[in-house]
Amino acid sequence: AQSVSQHNHHVILSEAASLELGCNYSYGGTVNLFWYVQYPGQHLQLLLKYFSGDPLVKGIKGFEAEFIKSKFSFNLRKPSVQWSDTAEYFCAVNPIDTDKLIFGTGTRLQVFP
Amino acid sequence: NAGVTQTPKFQVLKTGQSMTLQCAQDMNHEYMSWYRQDPGMGLRLIHYSVGAGITDQGEVPNGYNVSRSTTEDFPLRLLSAAPSQTSVYFCASSYSSQGGQPQHFGDGTRLSIL
Repeated sequence: AQSVSQHNHHVILSEAASLELGCNYSYGGTVNLFWYVQYPGQHLQLLLKYFSGDPLVKGIKGFEAEFIKSKFSFNLRKPSVQWSDTAEYFCAVNPIDTDKLIFGTGTRLQVFP
Repeated sequence: NAGVTQTPKFQVLKTGQSMTLQCAQDMNHEYMSWYRQDPGMGLRLIHYSVGAGITDQGEVPNGYNVSRSTTEDFPLRLLSAAPSQTSVYFCASSYSSQGGQPQHFGDGTRLSIL
């Protein structure tokens, strides 16, 4: 079955620390890749996406992600986190031969001042 | 432009009761979907629709029904509520399921089954 793995379930950082959240998927075909963020008490919002082209994609609020096809990975990065980045982050995969968007289990990020 | 609207925001049911969670979008999106969000399990796809009159099952469809009679509306029906269906339910829509189209999410319905 297609699946999306986020190995970091809970990450705690101090402000200005660098962030990298892992995302791996199990699907051999072509995929569209997404990172969504859910701030406390809010609905999910798109952070960034990979559709085609440059495997390094930049999103909102200084986030970026790199698609490494050979590793089936789409890791999220930010050089310097802020307290306002405290949220839950979800990786999602859409195999292009399906109409499904499959989410990972999420990573809860807590940033302390 | 209201986006994706879900009603109700909160609901408490007794085991065995049925109810319908409403979802409406005003963006003329063809693709709509329902997810449930549970702690430690992320979002799991329940049902989805690629257009009016077309629905299909997601990862966890058992105990739920959907219909898509119009482009705007995509209600989710719980046939006989069970405590395992206690969750937060999100409806989402996009122009298409393809082409990397981002999903627009509603604010969610928090459902408790006693």
